[in-house]
Amino acid sequence: DQQVKQNSPSLSVQEGRISILNCDYTNSMFDYFLWYKKYPAEGPTFLISISSIKDKNEDGRFTVFLNKSAKHLSLHIVPSQPGDSAVYFCAASERGGATNKLIFGTGTLLAVQP
Amino acid sequence: DSGVTQTPKHLITATGQRVTLRCSPRSGDLSVYWYQQSLDQGLQFLIQYYNGEERAKGNILERFSAQQFPDLHSELNLSSLELGDSALYFCASSPHLGTYNEQFFGPGTRLTVL
Repeated sequence: DQQVKQNSPSLSVQEGRISILNCDYTNSMFDYFLWYKKYPAEGPTFLISISSIKDKNEDGRFTVFLNKSAKHLSLHIVPSQPGDSAVYFCAASERGGATNKLIFGTGTLLAVQP
Repeated sequence: DSGVTQTPKHLITATGQRVTLRCSPRSGDLSVYWYQQSLDQGLQFLIQYYNGEERAKGNILERFSAQQFPDLHSELNLSSLELGDSALYFCASSPHLGTYNEQFFGPGTRLTVL
């Protein structure tokens, strides 16, 4: 049972335009959401996060939006740059504090065309 | 560079063998996590240690075990290896327990079982 879903395996965007990556989740106990970027042969790199008490968090070119009623979050990258080409993983962790293990989606490969 | 180190970077071995993967967390981080990424899969949580004690288990096989030592480094032991164990194994660390903190990932160990 996939609790975090990234339904688009890939996305292609022109340089300078907006990239929108989507993520859906099913577990209502999730209360912290993160985006990681991964280049080939490297480990995932933390990008941005949002807690369930917020609906938006912004860091430079990256903005994450959370819609709790729809159990949906999205990552916006504006403007997109060729160096943003990577696999993007959405992840979530549960309220409770006993463990903050992350549940990951399967990733979206973003290709930014020059 | 996340500050998390993993050795070895690559490991090639035969079915039935046993291997040990090593992880050193970021300085000061008490929590260590192990994740597995198989082909075309997202990252799957295996196990978490906090300050030397096991904190949470995911879908970790009984053939796999881990420990965290007093100096906080961790080892993941994989035994009776099968072809299907071929994957990328990532270690991550975070400063403490509690939901609202991101995990920092190492570069991974690529295990190939022949």
